[in-house]
Amino acid sequence: DIRMTQSPSSLSASVGDRVTITCRASQGIRNDLGWYQQKPGKAPKRLIYGASTLQSGVPSRFSGSGSGTEFTLTVSNLQPEDFATYYCLQHNSYPFTFGQGTKLEIK
Amino acid sequence: QVQLVESGGGVVQPGRSLRLSCAASGFTFSIYGMHWVRQAPGKGLEWVALISYDGSYEYYADSVKGRFTFSRDNSKNTLYLQMNSLRAEDTARYYCAKGGAPWADYGGFDYWGQGTLVTVSS
Repeated sequence: DIRMTQSPSSLSASVGDRVTITCRASQGIRNDLGWYQQKPGKAPKRLIYGASTLQSGVPSRFSGSGSGTEFTLTVSNLQPEDFATYYCLQHNSYPFTFGQGTKLEIK
Repeated sequence: QVQLVESGGGVVQPGRSLRLSCAASGFTFSIYGMHWVRQAPGKGLEWVALISYDGSYEYYADSVKGRFTFSRDNSKNTLYLQMNSLRAEDTARYYCAKGGAPWADYGGFDYWGQGTLVTVSS
């Protein structure tokens, strides 16, 4: 199975800040990676697919990059509604696997 | 708009069975692979199973293989997850999710339902 190592596990930031979350895959997954945002009591929502393509309707302050084994999600100009938990997902091979999650909290 | 509505969750004793359903609307159901993903209370996300767009094959996580069966009825736009021999560690919210690309198994998932809670406890 492909292991996805996501860091950091938690992050404190202020409104207006820029933050970066990283996922590393235990083997190459091309660009078969998505990023998801989950708010308490809600279903996850896809933000990015294909490692860097913004899902329709998602604000442009979210961006993704990477290929192979290292991927990043960057959120610029943090807004109050961005404080949530973020997960990466590899969908290159079965079983699909998620990162452990990053909880983004208000400083 | 895409809608996925899960049902069938509840409290069940260890070793018993439960069947979840997911009703889909707002897209051409019969051309998308579909998934189940679960989340134990306070924990991260775990992929559970895929069913192909035509129901001809499935993939399962090792943790559920041999106990869970994923099926679909394309005439009713509905998914089913038959869960047998349930264990305490199966306690989670179960989400159905739509595959991200038509006729493909590897497009990730783009839309999720709100989930249904399964609690396995004596």
